[in-house]
Amino acid sequence: GESVGLHLPTLSVQEGDNSIINCAYSNSASDYFIWYKQESGKGPQFIIDIRSNMDKRQGQRVTVLLNKTVKHLSLQIAATQPGDSAVYFCAENRPGGYQKVTFGTGTKLQVIP
Amino acid sequence: SQTIHQWPATLVQPVGSPLSLECTVEGTSNPNLYWYRQAAGRGLQLLFYSVGIGQISSEVPQNLSASRPQDRQFILSSKKLLLSDSGFYLCAWEQGVTKEKLFFGSGTQLSVL
Repeated sequence: GESVGLHLPTLSVQEGDNSIINCAYSNSASDYFIWYKQESGKGPQFIIDIRSNMDKRQGQRVTVLLNKTVKHLSLQIAATQPGDSAVYFCAENRPGGYQKVTFGTGTKLQVIP
Repeated sequence: SQTIHQWPATLVQPVGSPLSLECTVEGTSNPNLYWYRQAAGRGLQLLFYSVGIGQISSEVPQNLSASRPQDRQFILSSKKLLLSDSGFYLCAWEQGVTKEKLFFGSGTQLSVL
């Protein structure tokens, strides 16, 4: 259902450690998933995406894992840096006549120097 | 390259006043355009989307309306603002032929007093 109205969970990570942010999506028919990063007062920025025919995709310092069996998505950030502090949203894209993207609640990542 | 412009960045309006937020996209044609609202510390709620000039779909009943007078222009309006219209408004675009990531504007922080 609609995630608006829920407070943001927070993940605190020591600088240099790896971060794992999890997301559960709702529609088993969703076939495209995206992670966004949103810094305070700014619009979300694309980080990485994955289509449903893949289980894993890697970018620069980031990896997205998709488990369709349990409808779970995760974002792994390697060697977390202070600049990674932000709110991270997962989004699922459902099939249909237009691209309807549903955003998760978001997770606030706090990097401890 | 493609860019998206959204203005103003901040807006303080009295209850009952009209609203007009504008969003323009450059460097692409026939984009799908979206308006989202984000309450403080919350996720993104889809308000309107448009797949072409004059074509507007509303996701939730509300005090707001949207228009698309030109291919790369998307306007969010209200005739009379309510306190509950306060929030962070984001415009986004994507190339509509295949499912791709959304590109967001920098947002407008609206405070209705």
